[in-house]
Amino acid sequence: EAGVTQFPSHSVIEKGQTVTLRCDPISGHDNLYWYRRVMGKEIKFLLHFVKESKQDESGMPNNRFLAERTGGTYSTLKVQPAELEDSGVYFCASSPGAAAGYGYTFGSGTRLTVV
Amino acid sequence: QKEVEQNSGPLSVPEGAIASLNCTYSDRGSQSFFWYRQYSGKSPELIMFIYSNGDKEDGRFTAQLNKASQYVSLLIRDSQPSDSATYLCAVNVDSNYQLIWGAGTKLIIKP
Repeated sequence: EAGVTQFPSHSVIEKGQTVTLRCDPISGHDNLYWYRRVMGKEIKFLLHFVKESKQDESGMPNNRFLAERTGGTYSTLKVQPAELEDSGVYFCASSPGAAAGYGYTFGSGTRLTVV
Repeated sequence: QKEVEQNSGPLSVPEGAIASLNCTYSDRGSQSFFWYRQYSGKSPELIMFIYSNGDKEDGRFTAQLNKASQYVSLLIRDSQPSDSATYLCAVNVDSNYQLIWGAGTKLIIKP
C-alpha cells in the first residue's frame, strides 16, 4: 500500500509569491489533515477534510491560506501571498476512520522556506 | 500555559537502560493520548496511544496515563541506539478530530 505522498519535499520562494503544496492520501482514506510545524514550535493543526468537505478549518492562520480537496482524493494547500512567518514544515496525514490519531499516517512533509 | 508540555531535552540514556519520557496537558477534557516518534527530517510515526488510566504495553514500550494528575509518560525498556529520535506527545480533546501537540523531547541513546 502506498503511503501518504507530499510534494514538493522542499520549496524556497520569495515573500509575496504563491506556493501550492500537494498531498495524496492513502487510497480509500476519507479523512485528510494538514498540520504545520514552524521552527522551534509545536506541530499545529490547520484543517481536516472528510472526503471533499472541510470538517474543521479552525487552525488556518488567515485568508492567505486556501485548502481544497476536489473529488475527495488529493488535496492542495495554497499560500498566497507567502510571508516570512509561513516558513516551516507542512505535514499531511490521512486516516480511514474519523477518530483523531487512530491510524493517522503522515506524509514526509513539505519544507517551505519563504525568503 | 502551553496545552501540552514536554521537556525539550536532550535526554541522554545509556544503551540497555530504561528511557522515561513525560508529558503534561492542561485540558481536563482530553480523551486520548498519543506518542509519536520522529527521526530527523522524517514524518511523525505513531508508537502508541492510550485513553484510559493505567499502563499500556507494546513490546519494549509502555505508555502510562494519569488523568487526575494530567500526565502521560512513555517508557522504553532496553533502549537501543535506533530509539534515538524526537518523541512527540499529542492529545485529543473532546473527540475533536485535531491533535494538540507538545514540542517534543529529543532522546539520545548512547552505545
